[in-house]
Amino acid sequence: DQQVKQNSPSLSVQEGRISILNCDYTNSMFDYFLWYKKYPAEGPTFLISISSIKDKNEDGRFTVFLNKSAKHLSLHIVPSQPGDSAVYFCAASSGGYQKVTFGTGTKLQVIP
Amino acid sequence: GAGVSQSPSNKVTEKGKDVELRCDPISGHTALYWYRQSLGQGLEFLIYFQGNSAPDKSGLPSDRFSAERTGGSVSTLTIQRTQQEDSAVYLCASSLVQRETQYFGPGTRLLVL
Repeated sequence: DQQVKQNSPSLSVQEGRISILNCDYTNSMFDYFLWYKKYPAEGPTFLISISSIKDKNEDGRFTVFLNKSAKHLSLHIVPSQPGDSAVYFCAASSGGYQKVTFGTGTKLQVIP
Repeated sequence: GAGVSQSPSNKVTEKGKDVELRCDPISGHTALYWYRQSLGQGLEFLIYFQGNSAPDKSGLPSDRFSAERTGGSVSTLTIQRTQQEDSAVYLCASSLVQRETQYFGPGTRLLVL
């Protein structure tokens, strides 16, 4: 049972345009959500997070939106840069419980 | 100021052999996690340590998998009688306290022939 789903395995975007990566979850107990970025042959690195008490969190070019009623979150990258090309993982956890559940990842390619 | 390190970076073994994977977390991080990523899959949670104890072992796929952590620092993940389906990248992460951002190591690529 995949509790965190990233239905798009890959995405191509032109440099300078907006990249939108989507994530859906099924567990209504999740209250903390994270995005990680992973380059080949490296471990994932933390990008941005959002608590369920918020619906938006912004950090520079990266913004995460949370729609709790739809159990959906998205990561917006604007403007996209070639260095953003990586696999992006959505992750979620529930209050006090340490286990973090990851999605299967979306491979983003930003075309110069 | 080193990050999370893992060794070996690559391991090729024969089916049926035991393997030990090592993780050195960031100094001072009390929480340590093991994940595995099989080809084309997401990150699969295996086990979590708080200090030396493992409150959550629910992700360990079978009793062939075990992990320990000593001195609140180094952790080893042991896979006994390896099977071909154990082939994956095994990732370790640590965080300062629970629910803080996890910092990942580069992973150990395990190939079971």
